[in-house]
Amino acid sequence: DVKVTQSSRYLVKRTGEKVFLECVQDMDHENMFWYRQDPGLGLRLIYFSYDVKMKEKGDIPEGYSVSREKKERFSLILESASTNQTSMYLCASSPGFLVPQYFGPGTRLLVL
Amino acid sequence: DAKTTQPTSMDCAEGRAANLPCNHSTISGNEYVYWYRQIHSQGPQYIIHGLKNNETNEMASLIITEDRKSSTLILPHATLRDTAVYYCIVSSNDYKLSFGAGTTVTVRA
Repeated sequence: DVKVTQSSRYLVKRTGEKVFLECVQDMDHENMFWYRQDPGLGLRLIYFSYDVKMKEKGDIPEGYSVSREKKERFSLILESASTNQTSMYLCASSPGFLVPQYFGPGTRLLVL
Repeated sequence: DAKTTQPTSMDCAEGRAANLPCNHSTISGNEYVYWYRQIHSQGPQYIIHGLKNNETNEMASLIITEDRKSSTLILPHATLRDTAVYYCIVSSNDYKLSFGAGTTVTVRA
């Protein structure tokens, strides 16, 4: 079974803090993705990566950066957290394109 | 990517088949139909996908009409654990999966 794990299920941070969300997959997948999910807005793609050290902006990259130093790990960084970044963050991986994505359990982030 | 239309919600009885419809009348020839579901407070889970032919796996069956303008996801024997939001997505790009509002399926004992 594909396993995608995320470092925390719940996180509380203060405005202005730097926040790291970690995602690890154990299936040697090429592609990894970060989404956020908000009520009424569905899932929105923040960034994705198709190879180590490669990244592409998704639909809402502003206020976020990412890092992929190793194939299995994809990090999402909030440089200076703001209250409008309170959300559920979901990481996914896939072995290529036009194939399914496998999601982690999500991190519910609250920024105060 | 083509837009999809799904009912907002549906109920089904435990042990019975659940048939979830999806309309995608503007689908183009290279777009796949994907189904995912999301159980409360968890990440989405892939169920099945197809291009033209009907597909079946251990979780569900996918029936795509001949003109590809609609499809139906069938859960053959619904259980309480199948209660979830089900998303029908049409995409020609793996990284452009647009999750809409989906169908909230409630399985009742």
